[in-house]
Amino acid sequence: EAGVAQSPRYKIIEKRQSVAFWCNPISGHATLYWYQQILGQGPKLLIQFQNNGVVDDSQLPKDRFSAERLKGVDSTLKIQPAKLEDSAVYLCASSLALRTILGEQYFGPGTRLTVT
Amino acid sequence: DAKTTQPNSMESNEEEPVHLPCNHSTISGTDYIHWYRQLPSQGPEYVIHGLTSNVNNRMASLAIAEDRKSSTLILHRATLRDAAVYYCILRVPEGGKLIFGQGTELSVKP
Repeated sequence: EAGVAQSPRYKIIEKRQSVAFWCNPISGHATLYWYQQILGQGPKLLIQFQNNGVVDDSQLPKDRFSAERLKGVDSTLKIQPAKLEDSAVYLCASSLALRTILGEQYFGPGTRLTVT
Repeated sequence: DAKTTQPNSMESNEEEPVHLPCNHSTISGTDYIHWYRQLPSQGPEYVIHGLTSNVNNRMASLAIAEDRKSSTLILHRATLRDAAVYYCILRVPEGGKLIFGQGTELSVKP
């Protein structure tokens, strides 16, 4: 079974530039998550989709971050404009469905963003 | 969301058992205890979860205190590949989001 795919794996940009990350979840997984992991900290949930609808985006800085999941499969996360404090690893995860007791999440390898 | 407390780091010798503690004194009756781990340069991966009873799977065992205010992840024979950050997370049953803390960084010595 193919895992969660993310690209690019690494990205270096200057502050005030824009950047986009792509995620392809495990086939059949209805729920998709984007996390931000700053060095030395645990991942923090940014946004959660159920199919193509947003379930939770309470931690998403909406003035600069946006995310979409068209057709309920792939997803993109965009930052515009980037700030120095956005330097982090951006992790995508997916799970079968929102309303399951287990709801095990499968994580991709992440995209390491460096903002200079 | 209820919080968990874990030691920042622990050391173990290869092929010895490892007991990773987690305190969760404010756990509610419906919170599940989940453990994930994150190997270097990888995304987190699921390890195990439980509600009240002790649980075993191919990766680890989870021992839950009777009052559920603490739990322990047990790796029966640590290998070098078990070196990772281990996260203890409380989760509501209906697909509640994962709220990661700092976790415990486990190092394994040969």
